[in-house]
Amino acid sequence: QSALTQPPSASGSPGQSVTISCTGTSSDVGTYNYVSWYQQHPGKAPKYMIYEVSKRPSGVPDRFSGSKSGNTASLTVSGLQAEDEADYYCSSFAGSNNVVFGGGTKLIVL
Amino acid sequence: QVQLVESGGGVVQPGRSLRLSCAASGFTFSSYAMHWVRQAPGKGLEWLAVISYDGSRTHYADSVKGRFTISRDSSKNTLYLQMNSLRPEDTAVYHCARAPRGDSSGYYLGMDLWGQGTTVTVSS
Repeated sequence: QSALTQPPSASGSPGQSVTISCTGTSSDVGTYNYVSWYQQHPGKAPKYMIYEVSKRPSGVPDRFSGSKSGNTASLTVSGLQAEDEADYYCSSFAGSNNVVFGGGTKLIVL
Repeated sequence: QVQLVESGGGVVQPGRSLRLSCAASGFTFSSYAMHWVRQAPGKGLEWLAVISYDGSRTHYADSVKGRFTISRDSSKNTLYLQMNSLRPEDTAVYHCARAPRGDSSGYYLGMDLWGQGTTVTVSS
């Protein structure tokens, strides 16, 4: 159950697009289309942003989108806004009834 | 109001036990699989355990298997985490989280509702 790999930080200016990667293995991200993404502001509970790689729950702006290629999933935030500054975590079903999270990425809006 | 509220955290000595609770309200608790996830100070999220909607299936991360037990009481709309043989590395904020409806086992669709968490500190 090794954690998924995310870059520690990512940044962009308001209005720009930023992509955060989430790299796993053929035992998790590479095999299953069960990748989710969460946004967490300091001191707050995580918020559900993406599920099944690219689906958005009701209420999540369409500026947030997800994709996957091979063992790497990605979250793209388009039209960056100040309130998008937060920590972002990916998670994946990892087979054998396990769930694994990434280490998290701090998104900085310049 | 749809929400999850954790309780039961505190300061505990290494080797001791603690039981966390998660009170669910605003939705049909018995229809949803539930998770426990923790976050150590300054660290990322770590999945700990999942229980199916009816309590018939549970599964644990290797880091807590044999020490932690997840359970639920649908008559009380409450999820529990019994933590035994606590270690300093178990110090964290513990969140309960709900799997979306339709994911009866809880493994596949992530977690669509989270509680604010309860803090556990393991220290002598």
